[in-house]
Amino acid sequence: DVKVTQSSRYLVKRTGEKVFLECVQDMDHENMFWYRQDPGLGLRLIYFSYDVKMKEKGDIPEGYSVSREKKERFSLILESASTNQTSMYLCASSLGSQETQYFGPGTRLLVL
Amino acid sequence: AQSVSQHNHHVILSEAASLELGCNYSYGGTVNLFWYVQYPGQHLQLLLKYFSGDPLVKGIKGFEAEFIKSKFSFNLRKPSVQWSDTAEYFCAVNTYLRDDKIIFGKGTRLHILP
Repeated sequence: DVKVTQSSRYLVKRTGEKVFLECVQDMDHENMFWYRQDPGLGLRLIYFSYDVKMKEKGDIPEGYSVSREKKERFSLILESASTNQTSMYLCASSLGSQETQYFGPGTRLLVL
Repeated sequence: AQSVSQHNHHVILSEAASLELGCNYSYGGTVNLFWYVQYPGQHLQLLLKYFSGDPLVKGIKGFEAEFIKSKFSFNLRKPSVQWSDTAEYFCAVNTYLRDDKIIFGKGTRLHILP
């Protein structure tokens, strides 16, 4: 079974803080993704990576950056958290870019 | 840009009722189609997928979906729902376009009344 883990289930941060969200997958998948999930808006892609040290912008990359130094780990960084980044963040991985994505449990981030 | 539409944002049914959730996409070429489900408090997980072959695909827990290319649709069905089907359902589409990415619909919240 593919396992995707995220470092925190719940996180509370203050406006302006730098926030790191970590994601690890154990199935040697090439592709990893970060989404945010908001009620009524579904899943929106922030960034994805198809290889180590490679990254591509998704639909809503503003205010976020990512890092992929190792194949199994994909980090999402909020350089200066703002209240409109309060959301559920989902990490996913897949073997090929067209293949099934496997999701982590999500991190619910509250920015005060 | 490609898009995915889920027509029903919120559906309420009684147990044993039949279910059909609509999904339409905008791309006319080759596609991979998915339905994902998120049960309360659980991970988003794959319900079923279509890559090629028989346009009627069967997934877990008695769900099925039919790919109708002429209608750009991939509707999800279940003949008799159970209370445990209460969840949020997402349709998703992948094309084979260069640099294209999977696109998710906005989701349908399904509530099954016991």
